[in-house]
Amino acid sequence: GAGVSQSPSNKVTEKGKDVELRCDPISGHTALYWYRQSLGQGLEFLIYFQGNSAPDKSGLPSDRFSAERTGGSVSTLTIQRTQQEDSAVYLCASSSTGVQAFFGQGTRLTVV
Amino acid sequence: AQKVTQAQTEISVVEKEDVTLDCVYETRDTTYYLFWYKQPPSGELVFLIRRNSFDEQNEISGRYSWNFQKSTSSFNFTITASQVVDSAVYFCAPTYSSASKIIFGSGTRLSIRP
Repeated sequence: GAGVSQSPSNKVTEKGKDVELRCDPISGHTALYWYRQSLGQGLEFLIYFQGNSAPDKSGLPSDRFSAERTGGSVSTLTIQRTQQEDSAVYLCASSSTGVQAFFGQGTRLTVV
Repeated sequence: AQKVTQAQTEISVVEKEDVTLDCVYETRDTTYYLFWYKQPPSGELVFLIRRNSFDEQNEISGRYSWNFQKSTSSFNFTITASQVVDSAVYFCAPTYSSASKIIFGSGTRLSIRP
């Protein structure tokens, strides 16, 4: 497809388990973003990849969170030892420099 | 500090009223982009407009208009003759050249009552 694709769309996990969230950006987009949105809240920046540059990880809330982007394309956000406060919608977006970001539909993560 | 402020948390108006959503940004960069996004109840983020820092020309698109004022670091968004379908959360989102990532404001929840 032509848009940003995220999988899974929904994920329910037990507290303490690890989860991986996947993002397929639009082909050719050099920038990739991860945001988190808790219910009724704004978008919290997590991490930003731009081409081959070192990622901006300044938004990751703890060392339980990590992300990688392989081959400048697909990205995986990993949350280790999930906690209930990690429950949120995780949004991925991609863009070309200076152009608007296109967002995926998000992954709704529920930690029980 | 580089940030963005949407001081209006929630706005509720009656259909057909005009409504303006405020956005104030803060940066020392001379090159930056400003975006507005809409998030309807369905949850997806919809791009509305992009403006770069060198283009202060205001824009009108149908019932939507944007007022970019560099002198006051504001990029306000007006909906004319609002409709129920305009009900959504609206985010102002700058991208500063020194930071590159898109910074989202806290959003303004707009409710249009019939």
